[in-house]
Amino acid sequence: KAGVTQTPRYLIKTRGQQVTLSCSPISGHRSVSWYQQTPGQGLQFLFEYFSETQRNKGNFPGRFSGRQFSNSRSEMNVSTLELGDSALYLCASKEGSPNTEAFFGQGTRLTVV
Amino acid sequence: AQKVTQAQTEISVVEKEDVTLDCVYETRDTTYYLFWYKQPPSGELVFLIRRNSFDEQNEISGRYSWNFQKSTSSFNFTITASQVVDSAVYFCALSEWNFNKFYFGSGTKLNVKP
Repeated sequence: KAGVTQTPRYLIKTRGQQVTLSCSPISGHRSVSWYQQTPGQGLQFLFEYFSETQRNKGNFPGRFSGRQFSNSRSEMNVSTLELGDSALYLCASKEGSPNTEAFFGQGTRLTVV
Repeated sequence: AQKVTQAQTEISVVEKEDVTLDCVYETRDTTYYLFWYKQPPSGELVFLIRRNSFDEQNEISGRYSWNFQKSTSSFNFTITASQVVDSAVYFCALSEWNFNKFYFGSGTKLNVKP
């Protein structure tokens, strides 16, 4: 069974640009969550999607958005990039019902210059 | 509000030593779950264990053991006879009953030297 796949693994963008990150969950998993990891703030929850609907949202500005497709693949978008958006973005996949495990991808390392 | 505190930022031990990673949590929920994840340099979070708030039994898995104490809101993780391959950042996390959002601690970086 394939794991959670995040693409691209590394990305360098310039301030003001926008970026789209992709996450393909484990087959059969309908929930995808996104986390931002920075040295200063640690791991912070961005949002969670289940069956194409955003079910939970963290405390991030509107520049951070996401969506989920009918095949459960998810994308997150960050517009008007700032230096502080440089981080490791991790995606977690789970079946969607309570009491099931979450599996994480290797992340996308975004550097904003 | 939910909060997880890992007071140990970094720990260094010599191989074969035992090491305990501390985790203290705060929540007003009666049903919640606690987790430990390992993050090697490659970046992904590797699941180690999950406990629910109603199960205070300690657990042992090979060289790993976990001590869950609701009275002190702690969920500590012990590695017995540490190995170099145990070197990683370890995160303690709390989730609500529906599992849909994790609150992570700041992580403890474990360095195991040969």
